[in-house]
Amino acid sequence: DTEVTQTPKHLVMGMTNKKSLKCEQHMGHRAMYWYKQKAKKPPELMFVYSYEKLSINESVPSRFSPECPNSSLLNLHLHALQPEDSALYLCASSQDLWVGEQYFGPGTRLTVT
Amino acid sequence: GQNIDQPTEMTATEGAIVQINCTYQTSGFNGLFWYQQHAGEAPTFLSYNVLDGLEEKGRFSSFLSRSKGYSYLLLKELQMKDSASYLCAVRGNTDKLIFGTGTRLQVFP
Repeated sequence: DTEVTQTPKHLVMGMTNKKSLKCEQHMGHRAMYWYKQKAKKPPELMFVYSYEKLSINESVPSRFSPECPNSSLLNLHLHALQPEDSALYLCASSQDLWVGEQYFGPGTRLTVT
Repeated sequence: GQNIDQPTEMTATEGAIVQINCTYQTSGFNGLFWYQQHAGEAPTFLSYNVLDGLEEKGRFSSFLSRSKGYSYLLLKELQMKDSASYLCAVRGNTDKLIFGTGTRLQVFP
């Protein structure tokens, strides 16, 4: 199983809403990543977890809050987002931190109204 | 600074061969990845090069020259389903993946 799953596929939220994105992998990978991708742009790294601990925060605004409840799950909690936060949010995992290729989930298409 | 350059768009004909180039200037080098991304979908891993030379995987091959800061992805026997964006990504000395802006390939019948 080389699959990373993400839910929901699409999300529309207002600027005052609170929502969460979920990511799951069952490959036994110890590193998990959140990326943000705008149209026709490459993915931009947001957060990295290694062994369930936050390893990297790429100066992401606090309205994005990551959480890693266990080695298979990664959440991204969203609160008070701005319209410019609308993007495709991709989760990825790899065997270990920066080791091996990263497997990407299908992404959540987020629209902030 | 960190810089990865790829052509923005390319077109090719079904059954043909296309080469997508990638040049990079990064702080350190710990490997280069090629990913394929169809519109609205996740990137999927294609190839990895860390030593100079050619890596072949079916219809896809990837080449690396570290001294020149250069790689290419070669796609043979093009199919319509190969229409996608192709992302070159370099792992620098911080080990983070630095992505190029991607090359959008359109395959015509």
